[in-house]
Amino acid sequence: QVQLVESGGGVVQPGGSLRLSCAASGFTFSMHSMHWVRQTPGKGLEWVAAISYDGNNKYYSDFVRGRFTISRDNSKNTLYLQMNSLRNEDTAVFYCAREGNLAVAVAHFDYWGQGTLVTVSS
Amino acid sequence: QSVLTQPPSVSGAPGQRVTISCTGSSSNIGAGFDVHWYQQLPGTAPKLLIYGHTNRPSGVPDRFSGSKSGASASLAITGLQAEDETDYYCQSYDSSLGGYVFGSGTRVTVL
Repeated sequence: QVQLVESGGGVVQPGGSLRLSCAASGFTFSMHSMHWVRQTPGKGLEWVAAISYDGNNKYYSDFVRGRFTISRDNSKNTLYLQMNSLRNEDTAVFYCAREGNLAVAVAHFDYWGQGTLVTVSS
Repeated sequence: QSVLTQPPSVSGAPGQRVTISCTGSSSNIGAGFDVHWYQQLPGTAPKLLIYGHTNRPSGVPDRFSGSKSGASASLAITGLQAEDETDYYCQSYDSSLGGYVFGSGTRVTVL
């Protein structure tokens, strides 16, 4: 069965860095685009970043562009999110999500990990 | 604020029908971009419920249905059950932002 397991969350000071990982199993990882989505109590769900199946194309939301970097290692079936210059407002549960291959034009997320909590606080 | 607006809460008695609206604009739903819906049970990750406005993934009960009209979409739950009491989110794409957007979320309460 499809499994996505995030790790790497924790407490970090403002301005600090953190790298999240998402280990995938149960499907052909190299055939799917992947995404990071975060959730805060105040702002709900927010799309963060996406990467194409081969890693050649990357997309970011305005609020993380220039600070976060998404990447993947298809040989290790692992997705990453390098987060730099972290801010208090980046505090959230970060989910990795698989982009489904159902026949629709807008990406949808058919499998999600359990999430990893990132807390930015001094 | 979320780009897609949902009512904070809706409620209904067991067996009744409830609907959740998702109101967007000309740069997302109104532009013709697909709308998807997710159900999120407490303490768990969201689960895909409806994709492409009206389609159900395998395993989703036919009590859940979606529709779209203009710049808005709706999720309907018929034959409301106690297990439906949780949070629901819509999702689409916004061309002005150049990224994917979610609704503000709706809590369904079964009376």
